[in-house]
Amino acid sequence: NAGVMQNPRHLVRRRGQEARLRCSPMKGHSHVYWYRQLPEEGLKFMVYLQKENIIDESGMPKERFSAEFPKEGPSILRIQQVVRGDSAAYFCASSLRTWTGVVGTGELFFGEGSRLTVL
Amino acid sequence: TQLLEQSPQFLSIQEGENLTVYCNSSSVFSSLQWYRQEPGEGPVLLVTVVTGGEVKKLKRLTFQFGDARKDSSLHITAAQPGDTGLYLCAASQMDSNYQLIWGAGTKLIIKP
Repeated sequence: NAGVMQNPRHLVRRRGQEARLRCSPMKGHSHVYWYRQLPEEGLKFMVYLQKENIIDESGMPKERFSAEFPKEGPSILRIQQVVRGDSAAYFCASSLRTWTGVVGTGELFFGEGSRLTVL
Repeated sequence: TQLLEQSPQFLSIQEGENLTVYCNSSSVFSSLQWYRQEPGEGPVLLVTVVTGGEVKKLKRLTFQFGDARKDSSLHITAAQPGDTGLYLCAASQMDSNYQLIWGAGTKLIIKP
């Protein structure tokens, strides 16, 4: 089985441009999570989606950031009018289902990340 | 806001030594996971613990979940350079099954 696929791996944008990051979950996974990571720091939750639905976007800035997971195709994290502070690694993870307290249910599988640099 | 604190933040030791890293909180969690992240890569799940007092072994790595399910430790025996990486713990909230709380990680360097 292919793992979680993210692209692009590296993206350079100038201030004010748009960044689009794509994530294809593992085969059979319908739950997608986006995280942001700054150098030498842990992961910060941004948004949790299931097919065609945003379940929790509490970690995502209300302006300039949006996410979708359409019925067909990858999940997309979109950042409009990027600023230097948006520079970070953005990780996507997928899971088979939500965590139910039973090992082997809700564990996350991560992609290799997309590293955004804003000049 | 629940917080997961990992210690130490940074550890550099010689190959062959033993080490323990910790993940602590004042909150009770339904489960806790340990991940390892190598530079330029995404985190990779090592283990999930769900029962208070549970101990799991993965070759030279021993994971323990505290009796009260508030903390966890990771012990590595005879560390090897391949163990180098960022070790992250993540715990699921009792009232929110899908959202994980993440620690900031322990950066481990094993010198040959």
